[in-house]
Amino acid sequence: DAGVIQSPRHEVTEMGQEVTLRCKPISGHDYLFWYRQTMMRGLELLIYFNNNVPIDDSGMPEDRFSAKMPNASFSTLKIQPSEPRDSAVYFCASSLPLGRADTQYFGPGTRLTVL
Amino acid sequence: GQQLNQSPQSMFIQEGEDVSMNCTSSSIFNTWLWYKQDPGEGPVLLIALYKAGELTSNGRLTAQFGITRKDSFLNISASIPSDVGIYFCAGPAWAGSYQLTFGKGTKLSVIP
Repeated sequence: DAGVIQSPRHEVTEMGQEVTLRCKPISGHDYLFWYRQTMMRGLELLIYFNNNVPIDDSGMPEDRFSAKMPNASFSTLKIQPSEPRDSAVYFCASSLPLGRADTQYFGPGTRLTVL
Repeated sequence: GQQLNQSPQSMFIQEGEDVSMNCTSSSIFNTWLWYKQDPGEGPVLLIALYKAGELTSNGRLTAQFGITRKDSFLNISASIPSDVGIYFCAGPAWAGSYQLTFGKGTKLSVIP
């Protein structure tokens, strides 16, 4: 099993640029979660989807952030325009049906640096 | 929202030593999860606890769900170099929730 796949693994961009992070969940998982990890705030949930529908986006920091899940095997997290304070590691996780908290599998993350 | 406090924040131990770390909350959790994050990777679930007082093992790892439901403990016996990483406790933001609240982690370094 391939596990959760994220791309790119590393992204360096300049302030003001658009950034798109990608995630392919584990096949058969119908919940998908986006997290952000920083030294100051730890791991924070940004948004999660069930069957491709956004369920709770209350963790999305501001309107510059948007997430989509056009189909069961692909999701994107977009930041436009990016700012230096967005620098963090962004994780995607997917979960077995029923989305139990203990069934989340994390991807390897995308390390974003905004200069 | 609920917050989880982990201690210690970091620890350095000699290979072969036992390790203890804990996680506390001001509110009750119905599930406690312990994850490990290796450098450059995402968190991986180690142990899940579902009942107050429950003691669960996974190899050299043992975790306990505190009786008060406001704390949990993780012990690692006979540490080895590959135990290096960050250990997180986590729990559902509320009962039945799919959203996880994470502690800030305990960073473990093992000296060979």
